[in-house]
Amino acid sequence: LAKTTQPISMDSYEGQEVNITCSHNNIATNDYITWYQQFPSQGPRFIIQGYKTKVTNEVASLFIPADRKSSTLSLPRVSLSDTAVYYCLVGDGAGGFKTIFGAGTRLFVKA
Amino acid sequence: SQTIHQWPATLVQPVGSPLSLECTVEGTSNPNLYWYRQAAGRGLQLLFYSVGIGQISSEVPQNLSASRPQDRQFILSSKKLLLSDSGFYLCAWSVQGINEKLFFGSGTQLSVL
Repeated sequence: LAKTTQPISMDSYEGQEVNITCSHNNIATNDYITWYQQFPSQGPRFIIQGYKTKVTNEVASLFIPADRKSSTLSLPRVSLSDTAVYYCLVGDGAGGFKTIFGAGTRLFVKA
Repeated sequence: SQTIHQWPATLVQPVGSPLSLECTVEGTSNPNLYWYRQAAGRGLQLLFYSVGIGQISSEVPQNLSASRPQDRQFILSSKKLLLSDSGFYLCAWSVQGINEKLFFGSGTQLSVL
């Protein structure tokens, strides 16, 4: 499984766009990139998943460069409720796979 | 739609006592099932995963065990709890063959005193 590296924490203000970058230099050909969000005392929640280029849903966008050695989660116009820990995961999810979470990025959104 | 149930939400147990945490999934068949533990302010540690009934893989040596007696039931157990077993325990499921999309339960906060 490819190892991921994320910033430990980030600060932002309400209404700003937040970009969280994840490095995964050893990503394999079959690996997908997935991001989760976790609030205190809750289980992580799936945000977005991609393989290459750009993916967008109602919550976020995921930008993946051509070499796929990194990815950037973009949260548009954050609010206080976006304060959470964000995890980047890389894996191929083949039958019997196991999902390993890193330390994540703790995002603080200020008023 | 699929749902995952995990109980209890909170548990306080004395050192040396047994443990049984249960997790059930509804609305899907033959899911991958997982148990994670999270220490306060830390990331998630994968404890066990299962790809089918009776098939359990352990990721770390520890005082815990897991069982999958039915397709959509996953149980985390211990015969004698240690102080170091305290933490936030999360059950999760995923669709077999689909990449890295996990669905988590609400978690159990375990305090061993």
